[in-house]
Amino acid sequence: AQSVTQLGSHVSVSEGALVLLRCNYSSSVPPYLFWYVQYPNQGLQLLLKYTSAATLVKGINGFEAEFKKSETSFHLTKPSAHMSDAAEYFCAVARGGNKLTFGTGTQLKVEL
Amino acid sequence: DAGVIQSPRHEVTEMGQEVTLRCKPISGHNSLFWYRQTMMRGLELLIYFNNNVPIDDSGMPEDRFSAKMPNASFSTLKIQPSEPRDSAVYFCASSLDWSPNYGYTFGSGTRLTVV
Repeated sequence: AQSVTQLGSHVSVSEGALVLLRCNYSSSVPPYLFWYVQYPNQGLQLLLKYTSAATLVKGINGFEAEFKKSETSFHLTKPSAHMSDAAEYFCAVARGGNKLTFGTGTQLKVEL
Repeated sequence: DAGVIQSPRHEVTEMGQEVTLRCKPISGHNSLFWYRQTMMRGLELLIYFNNNVPIDDSGMPEDRFSAKMPNASFSTLKIQPSEPRDSAVYFCASSLDWSPNYGYTFGSGTRLTVV
């Protein structure tokens, strides 16, 4: 069964530093993978998606993620953190068509 | 496009009362999903519809929960009777179709508190 594991429920970075949020997937078939962001009191917003085209996927707000089959990973990165990036980030995998299974989320804190 | 619209944004009700949550998907989207978010269990898929037809309701926790989609532009999630453990944020999301090539567009959610 397809699932994702997010390592680290809380990540703290300084403004301007690299953001790295980790996601590993478990899938018996080539997966469709997604990253979503949730700001306080809002719904989830799609950041980017991997649908077996390019392994390096660029998303909104300067985020990108690289699909690494050998490591079963789909980590989310951003070269330089901004205060506005503070939010909760969810990795997700599609199973059985368009049903998404979400990870437990990583809360990103950006400090001055 | 106004996005996925959910109402109400907040609902406080007493245990035993009926609660109805509403969702208007994006026009032209053929798939609709109801999720529940809690601190303990994270995001759980409750039910999803494709072309207004319920495809899988295995995530619905109990018979107290029911969902309908009478037409392409409206869906409801009903809890009757409500219990304190139903307190959560309920999200509706829609997608263009059943292909995994498309992500979801989420509504802003309904925060339900059952006292």
